[in-house]
Amino acid sequence: NAGVTQTPKFRVLKTGQSMTLLCAQDMNHEYMYWYRQDPGMGLRLIHYSVGEGTTAKGEVPDGYNVSRLKKQNFLLGLESAAPSQTSVYFCASSSTGGRYEQYFGPGTRLTVT
Amino acid sequence: GQQVMQIPQYQHVQEGEDFTTYCNSSTTLSNIQWYKQRPGGHPVFLIQLVKSGEVKKQKRLTFQFGEAKKNSSLHITATQTTDVGTYFCAGLNTGTASKLTFGTGTRLQVTL
Repeated sequence: NAGVTQTPKFRVLKTGQSMTLLCAQDMNHEYMYWYRQDPGMGLRLIHYSVGEGTTAKGEVPDGYNVSRLKKQNFLLGLESAAPSQTSVYFCASSSTGGRYEQYFGPGTRLTVT
Repeated sequence: GQQVMQIPQYQHVQEGEDFTTYCNSSTTLSNIQWYKQRPGGHPVFLIQLVKSGEVKKQKRLTFQFGEAKKNSSLHITATQTTDVGTYFCAGLNTGTASKLTFGTGTRLQVTL
């Protein structure tokens, strides 16, 4: 049982390049989330999904797109990376049924130069 | 939108001293969760509080949820070096598909 995995672990992009971050979970969770973490700002929700084929905007969605084609995968895309998107990105998942605790992946450290 | 503030931002204690972090929400919460993030790691769930005035203990950690369900605290008794990390509270509003609003976190440093 791997839990939540993220690829890649590290990435350096140049301004204007694009990339996709992959999140996978093997816990059969309905809900999945993408956060970014910046120093002194805690975790901010980018996008989330309440089930396969659904996505919704979070607190800071601009510059990002997501897709959830399969229940176990949640992809985060940056179409044209900007230095302001330098951050650590965490994926998380949770089940339904009232408990709502979120399980986090190990994170992706992204630097945009 | 909802805001969740935590104080202090940083605290440095000597091993054996107590530590408390406080969490305040701008809106009433249906529940509050606490997470711990070790340096270089990812957030790990500690506990969830649901009822007004609820108090829960995990060994040396005591969690409280305020009567108005707008504030919470985490108290660590007799800190150890293994307590080092950042502690986040996260508030949940019902009807938001389990979306959490995370506090800004309190970073705890413990030295011998």
